[in-house]
Amino acid sequence: QVQLVQSGPEVKNPGASVKVSCKTSGYTFTSSGISWVRQAPGQGLEWMGWIGGGTGNTHYGQNFQGRVTLTTESSTNTVYMELRSLRSDDTAVYYCARKTLGAAEDYWGQGTLVTVSS
Amino acid sequence: EIVLTQSPATLSLSPGERAALSCRASQSVSRYLAWFQQKPGQAPRLLIYDTSNRATGIPARFSGSGSGTDFTLTISSLEPEDFAVYYCQQRSDWPLTFGGGTKVEIK
Repeated sequence: QVQLVQSGPEVKNPGASVKVSCKTSGYTFTSSGISWVRQAPGQGLEWMGWIGGGTGNTHYGQNFQGRVTLTTESSTNTVYMELRSLRSDDTAVYYCARKTLGAAEDYWGQGTLVTVSS
Repeated sequence: EIVLTQSPATLSLSPGERAALSCRASQSVSRYLAWFQQKPGQAPRLLIYDTSNRATGIPARFSGSGSGTDFTLTISSLEPEDFAVYYCQQRSDWPLTFGGGTKVEIK
């Protein structure tokens, strides 16, 4: 069965960076991509970006251009999301989700809480 | 980027009633619109993709319709487990975008 397992909660100071992992299993890694979506406390969903599992091609949300980088590690079927120059309003739950081109996000990770506070 | 506007923000209904949720796009997204359900403390769940196709395991009481810029998610008869927040999302163009959500609450 398809599974996406994310790394644990993080607490960071403003200005720091965070790197969240999403380990996938149960499907052919190179045949799908991974989207990242975040949700601030009490707020809606915000799409951050997508990376192709096979090609490594990326697309990023306008609010994150230049501040987020998505990478893959095909040897472990893992995708990473790095967000830099953290601010207090980056405090959120970050989700990864499988997204094949031509389809919607169908399997989701459990979410990773990132707290930015001094 | 394409902006999705959902209405109403909150829908107060009783179990057994019909729910109709709206999603309007700032430009045509053809039929590339999906609906997600989210309950407190849980990850979103895909309900409908490409306007009207139910995802695996989604009950038939959920249906989607529309095209271009106007879309509707209909829940024919609300079950207790359907009270949640619903989001629409377009995949017509990068960057993908979500609507602001509609909360379906118990009246």
